[in-house]
Amino acid sequence: KAGVTQTPRYLIKTRGQQVTLSCSPISGHRSVSWYQQTPGQGLQFLFEYFSETQRNKGNFPGRFSGRQFSNSRSEMNVSTLELGDSALYLCASSPLGGGPPTGELFFGEGSRLTVL
Amino acid sequence: AQSVTQLGSHVSVSEGALVLLRCNYSSSVPPYLFWYVQYPNQGLQLLLKYTSAATLVKGINGFEAEFKKSETSFHLTKPSAHMSDAAEYFCAVTKNTGNQFYFGTGTSLTVIP
Repeated sequence: KAGVTQTPRYLIKTRGQQVTLSCSPISGHRSVSWYQQTPGQGLQFLFEYFSETQRNKGNFPGRFSGRQFSNSRSEMNVSTLELGDSALYLCASSPLGGGPPTGELFFGEGSRLTVL
Repeated sequence: AQSVTQLGSHVSVSEGALVLLRCNYSSSVPPYLFWYVQYPNQGLQLLLKYTSAATLVKGINGFEAEFKKSETSFHLTKPSAHMSDAAEYFCAVTKNTGNQFYFGTGTSLTVIP
């Protein structure tokens, strides 16, 4: 069974540009979450999608947005990039719908974004 | 509100020595607690989880953690460190529903041969 696939793995952008990152979850998983990982802040929750609906949202500005398609694939977009947006963006999928979490988040290898 | 604090951003142990990685949580409700491991250039992998069953939780690769409500702690231990244990370890807490996790800032474990 294929794991969580994130594309692109590495990208370089300049301030003011926008970027779109893609995530394909494990087949059958309907929940997709996004996290930003930086050396000083650790992992910070961006948002979670389930059945094409945003179910939870972290404390990030509106420049960060996402969506989920009917096949559970997800994209996140960052507009008007800032230097501080440089980070590893991790996508995680889960087979879980509602109810108590099992902790079974399956992570991709991430998309490393560098903003110059 | 839920949060976790990991004491010590870097821990070094000798091969064969005890591994102890500390995590304290803050939660307004009974928490679900987790430890994840991240190897270089990889995503995170679940080590173990506490979901209000047994307070001593056993995970993969010989790791275990004990939930102590009185100390609001969930420290990760392994009796004997192996070179392959060198990685970044993250403690996490979540609400009782959904998949919104709050991660600690991580502890980098170095194993000295």
